[in-house]
Amino acid sequence: QVQLQESGPGLVKPSETLSLICNVSGGSMSGYQWSWLRQAPAKGLEWIGYVYSSGSTNYNPSLKSRVTISIDSSKNQFSLKLSFVTAADTAIYFCAAYEMQHGYFDPWGQGTLVTVSS
Amino acid sequence: DIQMTQSPSSLSATVGDRVTITCRASQSISTYLTWYQQKPGKAPKLLIYAASTLKSGVPSRFSGSGSGTHFTLTITSLQPDDFATYFCQQSYNTLFTFGPGTKVDIK
Repeated sequence: QVQLQESGPGLVKPSETLSLICNVSGGSMSGYQWSWLRQAPAKGLEWIGYVYSSGSTNYNPSLKSRVTISIDSSKNQFSLKLSFVTAADTAIYFCAAYEMQHGYFDPWGQGTLVTVSS
Repeated sequence: DIQMTQSPSSLSATVGDRVTITCRASQSISTYLTWYQQKPGKAPKLLIYAASTLKSGVPSRFSGSGSGTHFTLTITSLQPDDFATYFCQQSYNTLFTFGPGTKVDIK
């Protein structure tokens, strides 16, 4: 049973870079698209992007200019970097495994709140 | 982008009620539709994928139907554990989008 756990700073200053890591345990990293999503306070869910086990990526066009998602299979982890953050990037950030055949995200990490504030 | 809408945005119900939530897509998405349940402070949990396939372990009181642009999630007999927010998500294209959610609370 694959489990995911996010880690990283809970507070980031405006204009700086948000960096999070997702640790994957209990299974192989092959066969999934490893994804990041976010949920702003009292808002809906937004897909940020994913990385394949090969390292290729796909990003939400609305964030593409500021996002980098990478994978380190040797460490069973993948990461998110979001640059030039503003208060609008304050959200709970989730990592999740995207199952390509049927089109769903499962499982998810528990989520980590990142606040952008000086 | 494919826009997803849900109705109602919230509803109040009692244990034992039959509850139906609707999700609509701005264009046809075939059956590339997933339903999640989310409780406060928790990550979303997968309930149904491919519009009508129940994830293993999810109670059979949950069911999904629909294709194209119109989908429904039905809970046949609402249980205390079902009070939560429900989201739909399309995977017809790889710009994945979610509905705004339907909050089911206690009447």
